Amino acid sequence: EAGVAQSPRYKIIEKRQSVAFWCNPISGHATLYWYQQILGQGPKLLIQFQNNGVVDDSQLPKDRFSAERLKGVDSTLKIQPAKLEDSAVYLCASSLDSTYTEAFFGQGTRLTVV
Amino acid sequence: AQSVSQHNHHVILSEAASLELGCNYSYGGTVNLFWYVQYPGQHLQLLLKYFSGDPLVKGIKGFEAEFIKSKFSFNLRKPSVQWSDTAEYFCAVATNAGKSTFGDGTTLTVKP
Repeated sequence: EAGVAQSPRYKIIEKRQSVAFWCNPISGHATLYWYQQILGQGPKLLIQFQNNGVVDDSQLPKDRFSAERLKGVDSTLKIQPAKLEDSAVYLCASSLDSTYTEAFFGQGTRLTVV
Repeated sequence: AQSVSQHNHHVILSEAASLELGCNYSYGGTVNLFWYVQYPGQHLQLLLKYFSGDPLVKGIKGFEAEFIKSKFSFNLRKPSVQWSDTAEYFCAVATNAGKSTFGDGTTLTVKP
């Protein structure tokens, strides 16, 4: 079974630039999550999709972050404009349904904002 | 809102030593409980989970965890660690609505 795919693995940008991350969840998984993991902290949920609808985006900084999941499969997370404090690993995860019985994680994208 | 607290940020053990990592959560309702592990250079993966039933759950690689409802705790244990257990361990809770919260992790270093 193929896992959760994310790209790119690493990204370095200057502050005020924009960046986008891509995620392809495990086939058949209805729920997709984007987490932000700052160094020394645990993953923090940014947004949760159920199919192509948003279930929870309460911790997404909506003035600069946006995410979409077209056709209920792939997803992109965008930051525009980036700030220094956005430096983190961005993790995508998916699960079969919304009850969070188990989430499968991708390798993550390490973003450095300079 | 729920929160998760992991008491130890960094634990260093020698091989064959016993391990216990603490995890406490705060939430008034029913939760599902998880331990995830991240080996160096790899992605987060599930170690074990508790939904209901026997509060002592067994996971992969000899790990187990005990849910003590009265203490809001879900501590991870292993009787004898190996060098290959060196990793970062995350405790997580999820509500029935599927909202997940992770602790800040414990880095375990096992000396050969």
